Amino acid sequence: SQQGEEDPQALSIQEGENATMNCSYKTSINNLQWYRQNSGRGLVHLILIRSNEREKHSGRLRVTLDTSKKSSSLLITASRAADTASYFCATDAGPSISSATNKLIFGTGTLLAVQP
Amino acid sequence: DVKVTQSSRYLVKRTGEKVFLECVQDMDHENMFWYRQDPGLGLRLIYFSYDVKMKEKGDIPEGYSVSREKKERFSLILESASTNQTSMYLCASSLGEGRNTEAFFGQGTRLTVV
Repeated sequence: SQQGEEDPQALSIQEGENATMNCSYKTSINNLQWYRQNSGRGLVHLILIRSNEREKHSGRLRVTLDTSKKSSSLLITASRAADTASYFCATDAGPSISSATNKLIFGTGTLLAVQP
Repeated sequence: DVKVTQSSRYLVKRTGEKVFLECVQDMDHENMFWYRQDPGLGLRLIYFSYDVKMKEKGDIPEGYSVSREKKERFSLILESASTNQTSMYLCASSLGEGRNTEAFFGQGTRLTVV
């Protein structure tokens, strides 16, 4: 399986604190994406970082990518109770000999609980 | 507003039944995907399609087949449902080859096989 892994599996913090989640993956990538999932719902895209980028920001989100270590981290600053959700990283390895398109491979997710 | 719509939110089927899960997108996306999500295992790719009538196996295709007769519709078929196929099924779509773009997800179908 090419599936990546997030670390930690679960994280509980207080409102106002920062939350950091890590993702490790196994293959070379075109880009890496982070998604959020509220309980029992579909996933929503948060941010995409390309393989030639090292850091990207979007509002309270900061993503880093280290392709030499095949890892990424997602930082949520000044967390809010509404940030409570599961967070997934997904890698896009691009088209290849065995695959004609950009298929997304997801990790196992981090469950974030932000206490008010 | 972009949309991926799955035909059912909840479904209960009996062992051995043939089950169809339908997914429709209105964004003219080339790629469509079916994932299943189980606690502790994250999302696992079952099948994906990059064009009408084109499909490729994902990581866990056994017991499933797919159909893409029209660009906007991607169906997942459980040929003979079994209890170990009880899961949350998620459909997604994205733009085609070579483009760095996000995937859009449906709301999910929670399937229970009894």
